[in-house]
Amino acid sequence: QLQLQESGPGLVKPSETLSLTCTVSGGSISSATYYWGWIRQPPGKGLEWIGSIFYSGKTFYNPSLKSRVTISVDTSKNQFSLRLSSVTAADTAVYYCARRLEYLSARFDPWGQGTLVTVSS
Amino acid sequence: DIQMTQSPSSLSASVGDRVTITCRASQSISTYLNWYQQKPGKAPKLLIYAASSLQSGVPSRFRGSGSGTDFTLTISSLQREDFATYHCQQSYSSPGTFGQGTKVEIK
Repeated sequence: QLQLQESGPGLVKPSETLSLTCTVSGGSISSATYYWGWIRQPPGKGLEWIGSIFYSGKTFYNPSLKSRVTISVDTSKNQFSLRLSSVTAADTAVYYCARRLEYLSARFDPWGQGTLVTVSS
Repeated sequence: DIQMTQSPSSLSASVGDRVTITCRASQSISTYLNWYQQKPGKAPKLLIYAASSLQSGVPSRFRGSGSGTDFTLTISSLQREDFATYHCQQSYSSPGTFGQGTKVEIK
């Protein structure tokens, strides 16, 4: 079945750029049915959608993060990536990647296991 | 942004209990509402989409209902594996926003 796996540094310094990659296995990222998304969860807090991408490269972002976020896709590697610039301690969170299905009610399923990124000097 | 408010924030219940969690949207979202279950240290798992459609593989004791601004997730007979945090999410307008979560604990 479809699986997603996040990878990237677990520690990022303030003002630097957070970079994560999501590798999709068991299915093609080039499906016309799905978008692919990033969601984060600060420790002990709720979930926040960061942004999503289609295999063609079409993106849409949460306006609250848009000025700092870039999501890209590499169909040859079946991966998509997140870059978040100028990070602060407020960006410390577990970052999840997930497949997004638009039909009826846009929803995320399945999710990767998540990766904790800590912003600290 | 549409604000999603869940109540209660936490509850204690026993195995076999009927549990109801409420999610309220700050404006009408029709039935563009999803529910997720999250266990400690794990990723969220989709339970219900479009307010009342059961995701494949999810036990039938989970039921979603509602439309407009008020939605409910009901677990008809709580099982041990259901102790978790539940999140609602609206997909009516971007950015899709989540509720703050409801933690279901063992009494």
